[in-house]
Amino acid sequence: NAGVTQTPKFRILKIGQSMTLQCTQDMNHNYMYWYRQDPGMGLKLIYYSVGAGITDKGEVPNGYNVSRSTTEDFPLRLELAAPSQTSVYFCASSYRTGGAPMNTEAFFGQGTRLTVV
Amino acid sequence: KNEVEQSPQNLTAQEGEFITINCSYSVGISALHWLQQHPGGGIVSLFMLSSGKKKHGRLIATINIQEKHSSLHITASHPRDSAVYICAVSRGSQGNLIFGKGTKLSVKP
Repeated sequence: NAGVTQTPKFRILKIGQSMTLQCTQDMNHNYMYWYRQDPGMGLKLIYYSVGAGITDKGEVPNGYNVSRSTTEDFPLRLELAAPSQTSVYFCASSYRTGGAPMNTEAFFGQGTRLTVV
Repeated sequence: KNEVEQSPQNLTAQEGEFITINCSYSVGISALHWLQQHPGGGIVSLFMLSSGKKKHGRLIATINIQEKHSSLHITASHPRDSAVYICAVSRGSQGNLIFGKGTKLSVKP
């Protein structure tokens, strides 16, 4: 199993450019997440999705957009890149059944290191 | 105050030492996760627990729900254990994790 796959691994963007970070998982997980990791800080939630067609904002959504057209894919779009978006981005997925509490293992991608100059 | 606090922030140990990393949280949770992140690498789940104790090889994780505290122990530490260890809790209907800032462990040969 590939698990959670993120591309690209590294990217340098100029201020004002746009890009899409790709994330795909092959575990049929219904929940998917995008986090960013900044030096000395815990990971912060950008957006999440509880299933195809359903997305919602996390703690730090400004400057980002997402879509979830399929169970497998959850791309993160950066419009008008800014230096404040320099970070390492992680996609993650997990599975939750019905109204059960979220107590299943989370699976993470390898991360995308983005620098905006 | 962060909802998830880890200590210590940095830890240097000699090979073979017993290591403990602590995690305290201030919110109700459905589960607590211990994660490992190697330099430049991805994040791997080590444990997920909601009560008691779990063991995998040389790693042991415990949680005390009443005290809102968890510990990660590494027995007979090895240089390959050098990594950042992250405590995270899951709560709420959206299931996202709330992360501590991590503990950077360096094990010297």
